[in-house]
Amino acid sequence: GQQVMQIPQYQHVQEGEDFTTYCNSSTTLSNIQWYKQRPGGHPVFLIQLVKSGEVKKQKRLTFQFGEAKKNSSLHITATQTTDVGTYFCGRRGGGTSYGKLTFGQGTILTVHP
Amino acid sequence: DTEVTQTPKHLVMGMTNKKSLKCEQHMGHRAMYWYKQKAKKPPELMFVYSYEKLSINESVPSRFSPECPNSSLLNLHLHALQPEDSALYLCASSQGSRSSYNEQFFGPGTRLTVL
Repeated sequence: GQQVMQIPQYQHVQEGEDFTTYCNSSTTLSNIQWYKQRPGGHPVFLIQLVKSGEVKKQKRLTFQFGEAKKNSSLHITATQTTDVGTYFCGRRGGGTSYGKLTFGQGTILTVHP
Repeated sequence: DTEVTQTPKHLVMGMTNKKSLKCEQHMGHRAMYWYKQKAKKPPELMFVYSYEKLSINESVPSRFSPECPNSSLLNLHLHALQPEDSALYLCASSQGSRSSYNEQFFGPGTRLTVL
């Protein structure tokens, strides 16, 4: 299937530092979704991007979709301990795979106080 | 109500047991999903139900048998599982598999241990 590669796998930051995770695809993506999973929790939807070059902000979180729709990023400004968790990007399939959500490997974020 | 509930929270079963996982949502969603998640890995899709019909089966072994009795309920019947099937099983729902905005709402999961 069409894979979405996500880097880095792990990121350790000091509280107050910025954090970025990246998703890359070899093929054009029709959409990209981002989820956060707290330790011991379940994935929670953050946002969906569908337009080329789209940028969306949620407080300290900034989401971008590349111009070629082959990459996306999530940037957190001034991390807090509440940002700890795993961040997944995911692409929703089309055609006969409509509804199928394929996740990247995730980035595990640790924030040291 | 924007919640997906799953029971049980934890399940320990032997390889010869038969058990069922249950999932429920009351958001009027018409697509429901089963995922399997191993530690430090992303959720892997197992099954998709769209309007109560199985639309995607990701080549899941027959020892996992999904069922969608109605638009609010989703079951996963387990039989003759293997220790490597131990994982967190997540249920999710969304408006409909053909909705343009397909945010998925996940339940808290059932942590399954197969002995």
